[in-house]
Amino acid sequence: EAQVTQNPRYLITVTGKKLTVTCSQNMNHEYMSWYRQDPGLGLRQIYYSMNVEVTDKGDVPEGYKVSRKEKRNFPLILESPSPNQTSLYFCASSLIGQGNYGYTFGSGTRLTVV
Amino acid sequence: GEDVEQSLFLSVREGDSSVINCTYTDSSSTYLYWYKQEPGAGLQLLTYIFSNMDMKQDQRLTVLLNKKDKHLSLRIADTQTGDSAIYFCAESISWMDSSYKLIFGSGTRLLVRP
Repeated sequence: EAQVTQNPRYLITVTGKKLTVTCSQNMNHEYMSWYRQDPGLGLRQIYYSMNVEVTDKGDVPEGYKVSRKEKRNFPLILESPSPNQTSLYFCASSLIGQGNYGYTFGSGTRLTVV
Repeated sequence: GEDVEQSLFLSVREGDSSVINCTYTDSSSTYLYWYKQEPGAGLQLLTYIFSNMDMKQDQRLTVLLNKKDKHLSLRIADTQTGDSAIYFCAESISWMDSSYKLIFGSGTRLLVRP
């Protein structure tokens, strides 16, 4: 089944403790992206990647890192999480190029930083 | 700049029609999308419309596009309790020569009352 898989689904952590949220897709998509969803703010893009070893900042990159060593994986790293990073996070992937592909989303990771 | 706006909340009675509205700013958008997010889940592509179309119908869903006013709407006929969810409007805009990216609205929460 074609899908984007995120882990974990739920995570509670303490301020300052490094964490990684994994994202994997099995559709051979070039493009991958991370979003955070907060009430009233919709989806805000954190980082994106056009292909292996090609990453760039989105609209709200502060406090996050990403890497793209393989086409299928795009982990999100919080080196020193803070309470304002408590949010619902989504990974998405897509083919590159004009078209009606839209994005395929993962099921989300709800992160709480205390 | 790029912006997509939606009303935050809509409440309808089961069996009635629901109309969710969206306005966007980029007149060069090639595709416009509606995504559905059920509680605890990721975003699922519901339907899309190409910018040279005025209307698209898919079973209970009707998408209307007014390019002049940059207005997109999603009509759900015979709304059911299972349609209760957050609905996101998104526009695709040209990006980096050969690609596109999606700009999302804040989402409209649809509540269907029995």
